[in-house]
Amino acid sequence: QSVLTQPPSASGTPGQRVIISCSGSGSNIGSNAVNWYQQLPGTAPKLLIYDNNQRPSGVPDRFSGSKSGTSASLAISGLQSEDEADYYCAAWDDSLNGYWVFGGGAKLTVL
Amino acid sequence: QLQLQESGPGLVKSSETLSLTCTVSGDSVSSSSYYWGWIRQPPGKGLEWIGIIYYTGNTYYNPSLKSRVTISVDTSKNQFSLKLRSVTAADTAVYYCAREVSSSDGYDIWGQGTMVTVSS
Repeated sequence: QSVLTQPPSASGTPGQRVIISCSGSGSNIGSNAVNWYQQLPGTAPKLLIYDNNQRPSGVPDRFSGSKSGTSASLAISGLQSEDEADYYCAAWDDSLNGYWVFGGGAKLTVL
Repeated sequence: QLQLQESGPGLVKSSETLSLTCTVSGDSVSSSSYYWGWIRQPPGKGLEWIGIIYYTGNTYYNPSLKSRVTISVDTSKNQFSLKLRSVTAADTAVYYCAREVSSSDGYDIWGQGTMVTVSS
């Protein structure tokens, strides 16, 4: 049971815009920044969005992040076949001396 | 170019201790700018954070694993290590080491991961 809640799956056709949600609580998303990771099949996760809405160098601007209260969202516009992957949200949780919490992951399928 | 590489046994017997090392190249574990962490992923499941260490030795652990986990750093070898005691089949996973920039900026560099299977 993950501390952050994500839908297990999402899908879209090429060119569409897809949104993946991430719900938490006041001790994690409500108090700290959200990061998003992309995990392509058989590979290590890759940082996609940091500090709620910042993109690391090399990440296309088709990917965007937002946060409101205790929820966050990852939007992918102009969906491409290579975007098919698992997406995880993460945030620092201030409870119990502090620790990182992850969402359960959302598998994105490009139809 | 910064690289992290996990190493250690791929098979551990139930009730024994899992030991992994992450070798850092292209950066220093003594850097005051980063934490160094371990994250795992059971087969077919999501990511689970294990813990982090700062070069001073300061650590933070997942509360659910804290009683069994020790993370240490060896600045002379530019490595940091994970020990997980009293393992069970539930500890079977791909174990990743990663560099944490900050609690806002997340984990920007990851190792390729190493699969550890706990056998009975």
